[in-house]
Amino acid sequence: DQQVKQNSPSLSVQEGRISILNCDYTNSMFDYFLWYKKYPAEGPTFLISISSIKDKNEDGRFTVFLNKSAKHLSLHIVPSQPGDSAVYFCAADSNAGGTSYGKLTFGQGTILTVHP
Amino acid sequence: EAQVTQNPRYLITVTGKKLTVTCSQNMNHEYMSWYRQDPGLGLRQIYYSMNVEVTDKGDVPEGYKVSRKEKRNFPLILESPSPNQTSLYFCATMGQGAYEQYFGPGTRLTVT
Repeated sequence: DQQVKQNSPSLSVQEGRISILNCDYTNSMFDYFLWYKKYPAEGPTFLISISSIKDKNEDGRFTVFLNKSAKHLSLHIVPSQPGDSAVYFCAADSNAGGTSYGKLTFGQGTILTVHP
Repeated sequence: EAQVTQNPRYLITVTGKKLTVTCSQNMNHEYMSWYRQDPGLGLRQIYYSMNVEVTDKGDVPEGYKVSRKEKRNFPLILESPSPNQTSLYFCATMGQGAYEQYFGPGTRLTVT
């Protein structure tokens, strides 16, 4: 049973436009969410995160939105650049008192291609 | 430089031949974890360790063993590999009180 789902296997966007990557989750115990970016032949690297007490977190060109009632989060990249072409994974964690349990659940990933 | 290293990076082996994939980190992190990445399934957690001598199962622990005898190392052991363990494996670490994990470069394992 996939508790974290990224239903779009791929997304193609023109340079300069907005990229929106979506993620849905089913486990209401999840209360911390992360996005990772992965280039070929490398390990995933952390991109941005959001706690369930917030609905938005912004870092430069990257913004993550969280809709708890819908159990949905999205990553917005504005403007998109060719170097953003990678696989993006969303991940969910749960914590007690602000400390990660360490049991991270990932989505299937979305391949983003940004065309020049 | 903060690093998570994995060895080997590539391995082709045969069914039943025991193997170990090593993971080492120089960030003094308490937490370490192993994942496997498969097409259409994303990354799935195999085992994790919150500290030395403390390990716990992730979502897909069957067929794997781990040990955490010292903070910097967290080897993944396949006692009797099978073809369904052909995958891309990642080791990760995380500092205390943090949420973001730092991943190694991956180990591509093929079991024939």
